[in-house]
Amino acid sequence: AQSVTQPDIHITVSEGASLELRCNYSYGATPYLFWYVQSPGQGLQLLLKYFSGDTLVQGIKGFEAEFKRSQSSFNLRKPSVHWSDAAEYFCAVASGGSYIPTFGRGTSLIVHP
Amino acid sequence: DTGVSQNPRHKITKRGQNVTFRCDPISEHNRLYWYRQTLGQGPEFLTYFQNEAQLEKSRLLSDRFSAERPKGSFSTLEIQRTEQGDSAMYLCASSSSGGPDTQYFGPGTRLTVL
Repeated sequence: AQSVTQPDIHITVSEGASLELRCNYSYGATPYLFWYVQSPGQGLQLLLKYFSGDTLVQGIKGFEAEFKRSQSSFNLRKPSVHWSDAAEYFCAVASGGSYIPTFGRGTSLIVHP
Repeated sequence: DTGVSQNPRHKITKRGQNVTFRCDPISEHNRLYWYRQTLGQGPEFLTYFQNEAQLEKSRLLSDRFSAERPKGSFSTLEIQRTEQGDSAMYLCASSSSGGPDTQYFGPGTRLTVL
């Protein structure tokens, strides 16, 4: 069965600093990987996804993620964080067949001015 | 706005009552998903539809939970005889294909069972 681990429950960064949110997955074959962001009172919004091809994926709002098969990781990065990036971030993995994603428990990003 | 909509946004009920939530997907999307999200957790898959067919329902939490999508458009999720443990955010999402397509999420219905 597929699973996702987001080892950091909370991450605190200063505005303008760089960010990396960790995500590790467990799945035997090539996974489909996603990062979603959830702001208070809002639905989940897709930041980026990896299905195949270039392992460095660009997303919206200046985010990027890199798929590393050898490490079973799909970490999310941003070079300079803005106060509006404060939110909950979820990594998800899906597999062939139903393609239903399994979500991690999320990482809460706190941005200090 | 033609995104996924959910109603009501909030529902407070007493234990033992039945509740029903509605989800209206993006109009051209044929797949519709229901998830539950509890505090401090990611969304947990419950069930999904391809058009009006419910293709997976084994992950519904108990036989008190049921979902329908009678005409392949909107969907309802019903919880009978609610329990305090049912308190959570219920999310709906839709997508346009059966492949690994992007799911678009609604804002959710927050259920509180007293």
